[in-house]
Amino acid sequence: AQTVTQSQPEMSVQEAETVTLSCTYDTSESNYYLFWYKQPPSRQMILVIRQEAYKQQNATENRFSVNFQKAAKSFSLKISDSQLGDTAMYFCAFMKPYGGSQGNLIFGKGTKLSVKP
Amino acid sequence: DAGITQSPRHKVTETGTPVTLRCHQTENHRYMYWYRQDPGHGLRLIHYSYGVKDTDKGEVSDGYSVSRSKTEDFLLTLESATSSQTSVYFCAMGTDTGELFFGEGSRLTVL
Repeated sequence: AQTVTQSQPEMSVQEAETVTLSCTYDTSESNYYLFWYKQPPSRQMILVIRQEAYKQQNATENRFSVNFQKAAKSFSLKISDSQLGDTAMYFCAFMKPYGGSQGNLIFGKGTKLSVKP
Repeated sequence: DAGITQSPRHKVTETGTPVTLRCHQTENHRYMYWYRQDPGHGLRLIHYSYGVKDTDKGEVSDGYSVSRSKTEDFLLTLESATSSQTSVYFCAMGTDTGELFFGEGSRLTVL
């Protein structure tokens, strides 16, 4: 069974600085998807960034980028130029590719990020 | 335009009563999911659907049932609610490329 581990329950960063959130996972699959989701105090889950395991290039979305190390099964999220609106819970998630009844998104327990002015 | 909505957003009920949560999407996505979120556990999958009348169990399915009679609607039913089912419930719809879009959540309190 796949597992996702986020070892940092809470983190804080000063506004405009850079922070990295860690995520490791365990799987025997060779192809899969990895995600970072953000959950602000409003509670709604928002997709931040997505990585396909067969792609070696790290995904980037504006100030958000990942460091995907497939051999090490590591998938960290880097937030550059942190903004107050980045304050949220961040969840790392793993998914096997769709096919038949697959498609289960497995979440880590989350990292609570606080951006301080 | 949210694309996916849940109802009710808040509900308080008593132990032993039936409860149904509704998820409605307007994007015609094949995949739909019900998760529950509890402190210290993150999000855990209850049931999911990969098409009309096609559903399967997730990690924490005991005490829950689902139905999907139309592409746009995915219902989660607690036949006899218990206090351990007090939680925040999230519905999601999924694309063929593996991205999930979540509803705003439904907070259920079972007294």
